[in-house]
Amino acid sequence: AQRVTQPEKLLSVFKGAPVELKCNYSYSGSPELFWYVQYSRQRLQLLLRHISRESIKGFTADLNKGETSFHLKKPFAQEEDSAMYYCALMNRDDKIIFGKGTRLHILP
Amino acid sequence: ETGVTQSPTHLIKTRGQQVTLRCSSQSGHNTVSWYQQALGQGPQFIFQYYREEENGRGNFPPRFSGLQFPNYSSELNVNALELDDSALYLCASSYQGLGPYEQYFGPGTRLTVT
Repeated sequence: AQRVTQPEKLLSVFKGAPVELKCNYSYSGSPELFWYVQYSRQRLQLLLRHISRESIKGFTADLNKGETSFHLKKPFAQEEDSAMYYCALMNRDDKIIFGKGTRLHILP
Repeated sequence: ETGVTQSPTHLIKTRGQQVTLRCSSQSGHNTVSWYQQALGQGPQFIFQYYREEENGRGNFPPRFSGLQFPNYSSELNVNALELDDSALYLCASSYQGLGPYEQYFGPGTRLTVT
């Protein structure tokens, strides 16, 4: 079965503290993995994809095939990071499967 | 370059009715995907259209149907509405060519079925 699991519905982190949003996937083969973000009153947008191996807004994510994980990390949280984050995978048919999302709340 | 737009923003329908939702793709994009996002859930893939042909479908019944037009705008039609169809409906456009591509999402249409 193709599935994306985000175990935390809500994650509260103090400003300046490290952030880790967990994502595990189930997929036979090599999926393409993404993190999408939705800020308050804005549309869903791509944050980063694993093949780019880039850092966007200080966030990085490393694909761990052994653990089938793609956790999103940032060393120092900022208040503007508060948003809904969705982990997603693209299967070989180019269809995107989303997790249920984690709401990140940055505390002042 | 204009972004993805959807209409209407929200609407209320009665169980058993039919509804049509519209999506205007980003300029230059040839693919549109539709998603259903129930409250507290991630978006669920409904179907995708590529160059006016259905190009994959998620786990949704046939009463969910779609169209893509030559200008790459798109419609999602839902017949015989059920209460569980209440959700935010998102469309996303992209350009499918060589290599990986990015989907650009619209703001969504919130459908309430009573």
